[in-house]
Amino acid sequence: GIQVEQSPPDLILQEGANSTLRCNFSDSVNNLQWFHQNPWGQLINLFYIPSGTKQNGRLSATTVATERYSLLYISSSQTTDSGVYFCAVGEKLVFGKGTKLTVNP
Amino acid sequence: EAQVTQNPRYLITVTGKKLTVTCSQNMNHEYMSWYRQDPGLGLRQIYYSMNVEVTDKGDVPEGYKVSRKEKRNFPLILESPSPNQTSLYFCASSSPGRRESQYFGPGTRLLVL
Repeated sequence: GIQVEQSPPDLILQEGANSTLRCNFSDSVNNLQWFHQNPWGQLINLFYIPSGTKQNGRLSATTVATERYSLLYISSSQTTDSGVYFCAVGEKLVFGKGTKLTVNP
Repeated sequence: EAQVTQNPRYLITVTGKKLTVTCSQNMNHEYMSWYRQDPGLGLRQIYYSMNVEVTDKGDVPEGYKVSRKEKRNFPLILESPSPNQTSLYFCASSSPGRRESQYFGPGTRLLVL
């Protein structure tokens, strides 16, 4: 099956810093999504991005399908950005293990 | 409000005592699925359903059953729970042609003693 690897596993930032999270996947996919799990466990869909670039406020994502990776950019991070970010790919949504982001005030 | 609801949110039970976690969505979605989340492993799919009376195994189906008798409901059944099923469970729904509209329920924390 499809393998999904995310890096880094953990990331600690000061408020206001920028960050890039990476998702590598092992096979061609027509579905790739980024999710944010907040400290209370709630999963929020951030982007549906099988290819190309999208932006939503301080967050943006780019997927290069031919090279099998996706990047999530967080600019001017805030403490509310803390949590775990998951990449999920494929029709049945295979999840990576996530990147745990901590933003300190 | 569009939402996926799960009940109960928290459950402590003992080995072998059958339990059911309910999942309901109000968006008329055809596709529903169950995931379990364990530390360091991300989310893994247990079962999914493409529509009423159509269900199939995900990556970790052992020890679980599901049913899809109505479009809005997709209960997860643990016939004989074991401690290795202690986990955080999520139900999700979407329309097949609109994967970007994937909604997750709030999660159910299960502890099996």
